[in-house]
Amino acid sequence: DIQMTQSPSSLSASVGDRVTITCQASQYINDYLNWYQQKPGKAPKLLIYDASNLVAGVPSRFSASGSGTDFTFTINSLQPEDIATYYCQHYDGLPRTFGQGTKVEIK
Amino acid sequence: QVQLQESGPGLVKPSGTLSLTCAVSGASISSNNWWTWVRQPPGKGLEWIGEIYHSGSPNYSPSLKSRVTISVDKSKNEFSLKLNSVTVADTAVYYCARDGGSDRGGAFDFWGQGTMVIVSS
Repeated sequence: DIQMTQSPSSLSASVGDRVTITCQASQYINDYLNWYQQKPGKAPKLLIYDASNLVAGVPSRFSASGSGTDFTFTINSLQPEDIATYYCQHYDGLPRTFGQGTKVEIK
Repeated sequence: QVQLQESGPGLVKPSGTLSLTCAVSGASISSNNWWTWVRQPPGKGLEWIGEIYHSGSPNYSPSLKSRVTISVDKSKNEFSLKLNSVTVADTAVYYCARDGGSDRGGAFDFWGQGTMVIVSS
């Protein structure tokens, strides 16, 4: 199985800050990577697909990049409603696997 | 709008069988999508369980393959999950989802609200 490693596991930032999360795959996955946001008690929500494509309706302060084994997810200008746990997920073959998650909190 | 809704018992005894159904509305289960089950133990991350296409070709996580069955009922526009020989480690919120967020597949764009299943005697 391909292992997905996210860092950090949690972070605290101020409103308006730029937040960056990294995700590393245990082997080459091209750009077969998605990012999800999960708020407490809710189902995950797809934000980014194919490594860098923003889902329609998702605010443009969210962005992502990367290819191969190293990926980055960014929130430009953190907002209070962005408090959530963020997960990366690969789809280069089966099984699909998720990163362990990054919990984002407001300082 | 595509909607998915999980249903099933919230409590299962150890060594028993967990059975859940996901009702799909706003989309046909016979569309060109895979339909997926994901679970999340309390306080932990997401685990992909498996997927099925309307033709009935399932794929399973290797770690669960010996215990899991996913099936589809096109007449009811729903798909189901069965997990047998459950233990407390199978206690989790179980989500069903549609794999349709990317033309290449693999992106889960619509999710059910999730259902908590507790394994306990």
